Amino acid sequence: AQTVTQSQPEMSVQEAETVTLSCTYDTSESDYYLFWYKQPPSRQMILVIRQEAYKQQNATENRFSVNFQKAAKSFSLKISDSQLGDAAMYFCAYNSNYQLIWGAGTKLIIKP
Amino acid sequence: DVKVTQSSRYLVKRTGEKVFLECVQDMDHENMFWYRQDPGLGLRLIYFSYDVKMKEKGDIPEGYSVSREKKERFSLILESASTNQTSMYLCATPTGLTGELFFGEGSRLTVL
Repeated sequence: AQTVTQSQPEMSVQEAETVTLSCTYDTSESDYYLFWYKQPPSRQMILVIRQEAYKQQNATENRFSVNFQKAAKSFSLKISDSQLGDAAMYFCAYNSNYQLIWGAGTKLIIKP
Repeated sequence: DVKVTQSSRYLVKRTGEKVFLECVQDMDHENMFWYRQDPGLGLRLIYFSYDVKMKEKGDIPEGYSVSREKKERFSLILESASTNQTSMYLCATPTGLTGELFFGEGSRLTVL
């Protein structure tokens, strides 16, 4: 079965510090994309970062970076210099047959 | 800019009422998706459409139907709303070849 597991329902981090959100997935496909989405409270779901599975280099977008371990099927998100605006639900997903397979999400709390 | 517009941000309906959730996209894309989002369950696919008048059931289609009469509009219909359909409903369409989705702002439905 195709699954995405986000083992941390909730995480908290002090403002300006670094936090890592974990994600593991299970797919038999060899080429796919992985995504992290962010959903702030009462706001739109937006894409944070994407990773192509055949690329070994980890994707980076400003303060957001991933640690992609293809063999382990692990795709964690690191947020550096956390800001109050990073508080949100974070969802991990990968694409399969024109659909996205989603994790249950991690709620990130930023402590001022 | 890409735009996916959901007709209602917040709705309150009574059990047994017929509910229409409308979604319009301006990207001229064939594929459109309806998801349901519940705490701890992530996003679950209700239905998707890959062309006008074409639809496919997702993971949880029971109690829902859809309509795609025009390419830009994809409607989710609850024929007889029930309290267990109280949820956040998200409409999305792909933005490119990677499979990533662009979302509307969501429609939070409460069924009393």
